[in-house]
Amino acid sequence: NAGVTQTPKFQVLKTGQSMTLQCAQDMNHEYMSWYRQDPGMGLRLIHYSVGAGITDQGEVPNGYNVSRSTTEDFPLRLLSAAPSQTSVYFCASRRSPWDRSTSYEQYFGPGTRLTVT
Amino acid sequence: DQQVKQNSPSLSVQEGRISILNCDYTNSMFDYFLWYKKYPAEGPTFLISISSIKDKNEDGRFTVFLNKSAKHLSLHIVPSQPGDSAVYFCAASESSGAQKLVFGQGTRLTINP
Repeated sequence: NAGVTQTPKFQVLKTGQSMTLQCAQDMNHEYMSWYRQDPGMGLRLIHYSVGAGITDQGEVPNGYNVSRSTTEDFPLRLLSAAPSQTSVYFCASRRSPWDRSTSYEQYFGPGTRLTVT
Repeated sequence: DQQVKQNSPSLSVQEGRISILNCDYTNSMFDYFLWYKKYPAEGPTFLISISSIKDKNEDGRFTVFLNKSAKHLSLHIVPSQPGDSAVYFCAASESSGAQKLVFGQGTRLTINP
């Protein structure tokens, strides 16, 4: 199993450009999420999905879009990049949150470091 | 409003001694807590967790203590090893709904030989 994979590892964008950060998992996990990590702020939840076709906003959703057409993939789209979106982005997955017998543990990808100039 | 707080940005401990990392939370609905460890240029990895029905959970050198009345948890590492040098994140969740994780700011632990 590859676990959670993210591409690209690094990206530099100019203000106003758009791009999609890719995330895929091969563990058949229903729950997937996107976080951003900024110095002194910990990891903040951007968007999450509890299954294919279902997405919802997290703590800091503005400027980002997501969709979940398959169980495996959960791409994050930046519609018009801004310098405030310079950050490290992590995708994570876990088993169904509706199954109370499963752990709350989330598995994280290696991250995408994004710089917006 | 920071619901999960790690007030120590960094901690330095001598190899072989005990490392104690602290975490406070404000949301009384949180009933499940986790610790993650993060090395540079890698994603966070799960370390240990505790449910609010317990006050202690142990896994090898790692023990997590939960004080619900004080809304405080701590992670003890005994003995500390150089490979434990990393950033540690505390996270909390409610068992109802989508069980979103709320993370603290992280504490950078450095183990000195």
